[in-house]
Amino acid sequence: TAGITQAPTSQILAAGRSMTLRCTQDMRHNAMYWYRQDLGLGLRLIHYSNTAGTTGKGEVPDGYSVSRANTDDFPLTLASAVPSQTSVYFCASSDSHSTDTQYFGPGTRLTVL
Amino acid sequence: EDKVVQSPLSLVVHEGDTVTLNCSYEVTNFRSLLWYKQEKKAPTFLFMLTSSGIEKKSGRLSSILDKKELFSILNITATQTGDSAVYLCAVGLIQGAQKLVFGQGTRLTINP
Repeated sequence: TAGITQAPTSQILAAGRSMTLRCTQDMRHNAMYWYRQDLGLGLRLIHYSNTAGTTGKGEVPDGYSVSRANTDDFPLTLASAVPSQTSVYFCASSDSHSTDTQYFGPGTRLTVL
Repeated sequence: EDKVVQSPLSLVVHEGDTVTLNCSYEVTNFRSLLWYKQEKKAPTFLFMLTSSGIEKKSGRLSSILDKKELFSILNITATQTGDSAVYLCAVGLIQGAQKLVFGQGTRLTINP
């Protein structure tokens, strides 16, 4: 089973360009999340979605947008990338009817120059 | 501000040693505490704790929560090189959404 997939695996992006990170899950989980992971800062929540059609802001939402058109997909868009958005991005999902346990995708390493 | 602090940030031990990793938290509306293991890529789930004093165990790993003193520990006995990883602690909050607040992680290195 695939679980959660993310694409691309890594990307180098020029500052000012836009980029969409893709995330797809096949577990029919209601809730999905985007985190960034930076050295010394741990995982920080960017945006989340409790169910298809709804989204919410996390701890560090500025410069990012998300959409949740269906249960399986939760893309993260950087409209105009800046070097401070260089990070590893993880998508996660959870079954809102069970527990807080979140399952993570393999991550996307993004470098903004 | 909700905060989760892990200690130590880094730990190097020899194979066979026992280690204890610490996680303390200051949050409003605590619901659960979770431990994850992160090797090269995605964090993988280890334990979720919701009640004080009840130990959760999986093989050589165990964890316990103290909701009065606001901390949890993760124990690994008879460590192996495959236990080398970053261990992440996260707290789940009652906020209408299942948000997790993560600590910085403890980087554990097991030397043969």
